[in-house]
Amino acid sequence: AQKITQTQPGMFVQEKEAVTLDCTYDTSDQSYGLFWYKQPSSGEMIFLIYQGSYDEQNATEGRYSLNFQKARKSANLVISASQLGDSAMYFCAMPSYGQNFVFGPGTRLSVLP
Amino acid sequence: GAGVSQSPSNKVTEKGKDVELRCDPISGHTALYWYRQSLGQGLEFLIYFQGNSAPDKSGLPSDRFSAERTGGSVSTLTIQRTQQEDSAVYLCASSPGAGMNTEAFFGQGTRLTVV
Repeated sequence: AQKITQTQPGMFVQEKEAVTLDCTYDTSDQSYGLFWYKQPSSGEMIFLIYQGSYDEQNATEGRYSLNFQKARKSANLVISASQLGDSAMYFCAMPSYGQNFVFGPGTRLSVLP
Repeated sequence: GAGVSQSPSNKVTEKGKDVELRCDPISGHTALYWYRQSLGQGLEFLIYFQGNSAPDKSGLPSDRFSAERTGGSVSTLTIQRTQQEDSAVYLCASSPGAGMNTEAFFGQGTRLTVV
């Protein structure tokens, strides 16, 4: 079964700085995908970025990028030029065939002015 | 509708009462997931549907919890004889299928408070 680990319960970053949120995963599947979601205090879950295991390039979406290291089974989220609105919980997640969508425990990011 | 819809958005119930939480997934989405989230915590998986069947119900915390899905669409999560520890936000998500690149789309959640 898939397992997602996020070892940083909380992170602080200064506004306009970059921050990396860690995610490691465990799967026996040869083909898999990894997702990052943002959950602000309003509670909604917002999709940020997706990385497929066979994608040759690291995924990027605006200020979000994935530092994907397949051999290490890590898919860290990098947020560049942090903004106050980036303060939220961030979840790394992985779907699997015929099974549930597995989420990590999350990292609470606080952006300081 | 365009997104995943959950109702009610808020529910306050007395301990011992039964509650039903409803999820309307995005039209055409075959996979549907229920999660529970306590305040400030992560997502606790409850149950997953593919069509009308539930291949993975391993997360249901007790036999007081049950869920069904009809017509490959609407799902209802039922909690019988509610307890105070059932208080949480219940999130529903749907996706086009169960595959490696299928994003899960979430509803706004139902905040359940058991008093």
